[in-house]
Amino acid sequence: GAVVSQHPSWVICKSGTSVKIECRSLDFQATTMFWYRQFPKQSLMLMATSNEGSKATYEQGVEKDKFLINHASLTLSTLTVTSAHPEDSSFYICSASRPSGRRKETQYFGPGTRLLVL
Amino acid sequence: AQSVAQPEDQVNVAEGNPLTVKCTYSVSGNPYLFWYVQYPNRGLQFLLKYITGDNLVKGSYGFEAEFNKSQTSFHLKKPSALVSDSALYFCAAQDGGSTLGRLYFGRGTQLTVWP
Repeated sequence: GAVVSQHPSWVICKSGTSVKIECRSLDFQATTMFWYRQFPKQSLMLMATSNEGSKATYEQGVEKDKFLINHASLTLSTLTVTSAHPEDSSFYICSASRPSGRRKETQYFGPGTRLLVL
Repeated sequence: AQSVAQPEDQVNVAEGNPLTVKCTYSVSGNPYLFWYVQYPNRGLQFLLKYITGDNLVKGSYGFEAEFNKSQTSFHLKKPSALVSDSALYFCAAQDGGSTLGRLYFGRGTQLTVWP
């Protein structure tokens, strides 16, 4: 149990286009999903926290108009990179938290999406 | 500020030898502590977690971690390393006073096990 999928696994796009990445919890309902960005040989940087049915909470320095997050259902959150530029090229990873009482416990991670903007 | 430290960028061990990957934390409240493993171009896989109770936590693939409150440490260990254990390991902590579930990650430790 606790499987999280991401689609697509990799994408190459032209500068100026928008790219949508999907994150799904396959066998549980996730009231909270998280979006991370990871640069080569570095740790994960939290971009935003997404709660089902409400607006995402963005970390300081992350442009909410650039990285649009939608969490329309308990099993799906999407990240749209709008007007992508080469500096947006990165590895994007989502995670889903399976609720357990008051605290959100273990986060289960998707396999990641490699984005390359030309 | 909340933080997790992994003091070693790289750990190298011979197959069959014991391994330790170090982690210390500075997170408020009674944090939950986690270890994740990442293989190249993949997401993170959950290994184990400490919530409360026994200080020695056993996880997947023969890994275990020891929680030490006085030293604010949560070191990952395995009695006998395998070549297939070679990967990037992340320690993470969750704020004990928060219901948001946010994780604070260390910068990662690259483990290399040679035959």
